[in-house]
Amino acid sequence: RKEVEQDPGPFNVPEGATVAFNCTYSNSASQSFFWYRQDCRKEPKLLMSVYSSGNEDGRFTAQLNRASQYISLLIRDSKLSDSATYLCVVTSFKAAGNKLTFGGGTRVLVKP
Amino acid sequence: AAGVIQSPRHLIKEKRETATLKCYPIPRHDTVYWYQQGPGQDPQFLISFYEKMQSDKGSIPDRFSAQQFSDYHSELNMSSLELGDSALYFCASSLSSKHKGAKNIQYFGAGTRLSVL
Repeated sequence: RKEVEQDPGPFNVPEGATVAFNCTYSNSASQSFFWYRQDCRKEPKLLMSVYSSGNEDGRFTAQLNRASQYISLLIRDSKLSDSATYLCVVTSFKAAGNKLTFGGGTRVLVKP
Repeated sequence: AAGVIQSPRHLIKEKRETATLKCYPIPRHDTVYWYQQGPGQDPQFLISFYEKMQSDKGSIPDRFSAQQFSDYHSELNMSSLELGDSALYFCASSLSSKHKGAKNIQYFGAGTRLSVL
């Protein structure tokens, strides 16, 4: 079983709609959580960090539930440019050099 | 703003050859990481260096070695290449949280696509 699991999708989303998806992690020692997005054959790019209190960045909202060990991402008013693979990422705390553990990614396709 | 620079962008090698991948971190970043991403897979952590010392080690084969130099750039050396080594190799860098205000967030380079024939 993977340490971080995601629904691979694809989520087919009409432009302007809202889409939400989760990931679960198994290591209770995980301390930091992120969503990265990755476009085909390109590098992962940080979308947002995820905080216990939940946080919002424009059309994107992330939530963390430590008790149930899951993280969610919600995208409002989807744009065509939101089509990508969204990677759920966790890491344990170290001051430096901590490895990122990636989920398998959730593919989102926004269609006109 | 300057990003993580990786070279070469593409590399074609034959089985049993060697390859060297280079990574230049974002200026002032003190930590570098190497990840391998096979086709259709998520990135897998290989190794990291903080202040030129190995910090953490993941699923890096014994045929691979890496180091971080005094100017903080890093090189991943791969020997006795196998077909299964064909993948995207990403380098990431971060400023450790030992620096006040730093959040140790990793930023990725564009990657080196290695094809082993």
